[in-house]
Amino acid sequence: ILNVEQSPQSLHVQEGDSTNFTCSFPSSNFYALHWYRWETAKSPEALFVMTLNGDEKKKGRISATLNTKEGYSYLYIKGSQPEDSATYLCASRVPTGNQFYFGTGTSLTVIP
Amino acid sequence: EPEVTQTPSHQVTQMGQEVILRCVPISNHLYFYWYRQILGQKVEFLVSFYNNEISEKSEIFDDQFSVERPDGSNFTLKIRSTKLEDSAMYFCASKRGTDTQYFGPGTRLTVL
Repeated sequence: ILNVEQSPQSLHVQEGDSTNFTCSFPSSNFYALHWYRWETAKSPEALFVMTLNGDEKKKGRISATLNTKEGYSYLYIKGSQPEDSATYLCASRVPTGNQFYFGTGTSLTVIP
Repeated sequence: EPEVTQTPSHQVTQMGQEVILRCVPISNHLYFYWYRQILGQKVEFLVSFYNNEISEKSEIFDDQFSVERPDGSNFTLKIRSTKLEDSAMYFCASKRGTDTQYFGPGTRLTVL
């Protein structure tokens, strides 16, 4: 079992603030890192797939970076809006097999 | 936009009963997955399915579990004799190739 950790567990920010959170994974057994955005009662929505060390991906106000050597990825949200409120999940995939190993998620609440 | 659908959204069953959870993956996808999330815990991989057979399964996926793709569109997870500890959200996911997985909204299974 791969240990994927996310921090913080939950976060409350004011509308307009920028924020970031972390996903850490074993660097020795890495193939790809996936970020998902998961709103209550909806399907987890794929945000990014990252594979290369130093990768940086962006989607609107959300961006992510990847460091495979030290085993972490950051997700950044610039100018948070109430609609950004969701749980952000990361999942690490190993080189062999199809399994995704998920973190516990970071629950973000943006206060208007 | 195509999406993964799951039925029912909530299933309540008595301990020892059989349940079948249904998923309709995205139509041109080739890989199919089941995950579960026990309340307060991480999303856990159960099984992956490709080319009409199980390609990988976790230690959770014991003889009580089975999967089927009976008609080329549905993908089902059967639990033969449910236990209290099977209570969880069950997520189906699918993907086309090497890209990300797309998740359904989940079925909440409650075993009484």
